Amino acid sequence: DVVMTQSPLSLPVTLGQPASISCRSSHSLAHSDGNTYLNWFHQRPGQSPRRLIYKVSNRDSGVPDRFSGSGSGTDFTLKISRVEAEDVGLYYCMQGTYWPRTFGQGTKVEIK
Amino acid sequence: EVQLVESGGGLVQPGGSLRLSCAASGFSFSNYWMNWVRQGPGDRLMSVSFINTDGSLTAYADSVKGRFTVSRDNAKRTLYLQMNSLRAEDTAVYYCVRDADGHHDQWGQGTPVTVSS
Repeated sequence: DVVMTQSPLSLPVTLGQPASISCRSSHSLAHSDGNTYLNWFHQRPGQSPRRLIYKVSNRDSGVPDRFSGSGSGTDFTLKISRVEAEDVGLYYCMQGTYWPRTFGQGTKVEIK
Repeated sequence: EVQLVESGGGLVQPGGSLRLSCAASGFSFSNYWMNWVRQGPGDRLMSVSFINTDGSLTAYADSVKGRFTVSRDNAKRTLYLQMNSLRAEDTAVYYCVRDADGHHDQWGQGTPVTVSS
């Protein structure tokens, strides 16, 4: 299985400041169809995960533009330009290029 | 509005069975691949199974292969997961998840499954 490794696992942030989460995969996520299937999800306590970013850098509908995704091959990053209180919770990366689809361990974002 | 509503979870003894259902609304269910994803203790997410639009293609995680069966009824707009020979390590919240624009764009609220004697 493709191993997805996130860092850091805990991220204390100051409101209004930027934040960044790294995700590395054990295999290149470039698919033969030309796409790279790397998604980012946010999960608030007691809620289901919500997709933020698909195919590396595409924001889902309704996702604030302070969220951005980048990367290629095996190295990917989720950035929050200015953290707001509603951004706390767990963030997961997920690869969909191979079966089984695999998730990172999760990064817990909390306000300092 | 897209809605995915899971049901059928509960407490079951090791070796027992459960059938999860996921009722879909707000979109053309028969046009989408669907998935089951679970989140166990420690909040780790794991892909359990997927099924294509007409049910002719399915796949399973190695840990559930031979014990779980995914199916769908497009006329009823419902996804199913039959879980047999349940083990303690199958304890998790099970989510019904739609695939669009890549994978996993919409998630249900989840149904909890606890395997314990």
